[in-house]
Formats: sequence, structure tokens, C-alpha cells
Amino acid sequence: AQTVTQSQPEMSVQEAETVTLSCTYDTSESDYYLFWYKQPPSRQMILVIRQEAYKQQNATENRFSVNFQKAAKSFSLKISDSQLGDAAMYFCAYRRTGAGSYQLTFGKGTKLSVIP
Amino acid sequence: DSGVTQTPKHLITATGQRVTLRCSPRSGDLSVYWYQQSLDQGLQFLIQYYNGEERAKGNILERFSAQQFPDLHSELNLSSLELGDSALYFCASSRILAGVFSEQFFGPGTRLTVL
Repeated sequence: AQTVTQSQPEMSVQEAETVTLSCTYDTSESDYYLFWYKQPPSRQMILVIRQEAYKQQNATENRFSVNFQKAAKSFSLKISDSQLGDAAMYFCAYRRTGAGSYQLTFGKGTKLSVIP
Repeated sequence: DSGVTQTPKHLITATGQRVTLRCSPRSGDLSVYWYQQSLDQGLQFLIQYYNGEERAKGNILERFSAQQFPDLHSELNLSSLELGDSALYFCASSRILAGVFSEQFFGPGTRLTVL
């Protein structure tokens, strides 16, 4: 079974600075998707960024980018120019491809605080 | 706003009772997923439906059941409720693009409190 590990339960960053959230995963599959979801205090789950495992290029979405290291099974999220609205729980998630279930497997999450 | 709607937002009930949570997927999405978020278990997949048929089951208790109706809305039924069932229940939906399920978009969740 696939597992996702987020080793940093809490992190903090100064406003306008850069922070990196870590995620590692375990799978025997060669093709899969990885995601970062944001959960602000409103509890809504918001998709931040996704990465297809077959793509070597790291995904970027405005201030959010990932460092995908397939061999190391590592998928970190970098937030540049941090803003107060970035304060939230961040969840790393894995999803297989191909036939079968497309459920998401989530890590335990990292709580990010942004200091003004 | 993800386009996925869930009702009710909050539900407070007693142990032993039965409740129904409702979800309407985004327009065009045929697949619905249910997840449970609790403090001790984190976010766990419960069940997936695709176009009215059960597609996959996760860590769903026998006391829980779900279905997807012809209009594609889905209901999650929780019975013989226990204190430990208190959690945030999310519905997510996705569609098929080029033969592949797209990313999942989540509803706002239903907060269930069992007293």
C-alpha cells in the first residue's frame, strides 16, 4: 500500500520569505500523480499544485513550485514571497494512475504559520 | 468555490442515531469520492462512485453506506453512530479527461458531531 509522510507537523515563515514543506512517499508504481492541497481555517480543501510522475519538469503555479525527486520519492513544496493568506494546513497526496481506484492517499499535514 | 456542494454544513446528533450527508458534484463530473477527516486518523478515503456505480472502497465501516443517484448527486449514510464517528466528511468530484480521471475538487465538508 502507498504511504505518504510529512515529517514537519508545524512550520513558520516570515511574511515575504520563502518556505519549503517536505513530503516523502512510498510506492511500487512507476507512474502516479502527486498533489499539494491547502486547508485554511475555513476547512475547505484547495488544490495548490499537481505533478505527474512521468514528467521530469517540476510543476509551478505562480508563487508555488515543487521539487520532485522521483528516485528519492520526495515531493517538496516551495512557497515564495509568503503572504498572510498562505497560513493553513498543507497536505501532500498521492494518487495512482491506470485501472482501479483513483483515491487520494494523504499525509498527516504540515501546519504553516506566516509571521507578519 | 470548487463547484462541489455539500449539505448540511453542520450536524449534531446522538449516539446510536442515523444521518445522511448529501453531495452534489461539479457540473460535468461523473465521479464522487467521500473522505473522512478526524484528528486521530487524518484524511481517509471512504468510497468512490462513478456514474452511479461503486468504483472503490477504502476504510469504510460496515455501518456506513453510500450511493450515487441518476442525477449524479451522492449520499453517505452513517448509522448506529458512535462518538468516534465525529469528524469532517468531505465529498470530492472529478471527471475523465483523455481517458484519465482528473484531479479531485473538494466540497466544503459536513462537520458531524456525535454526542
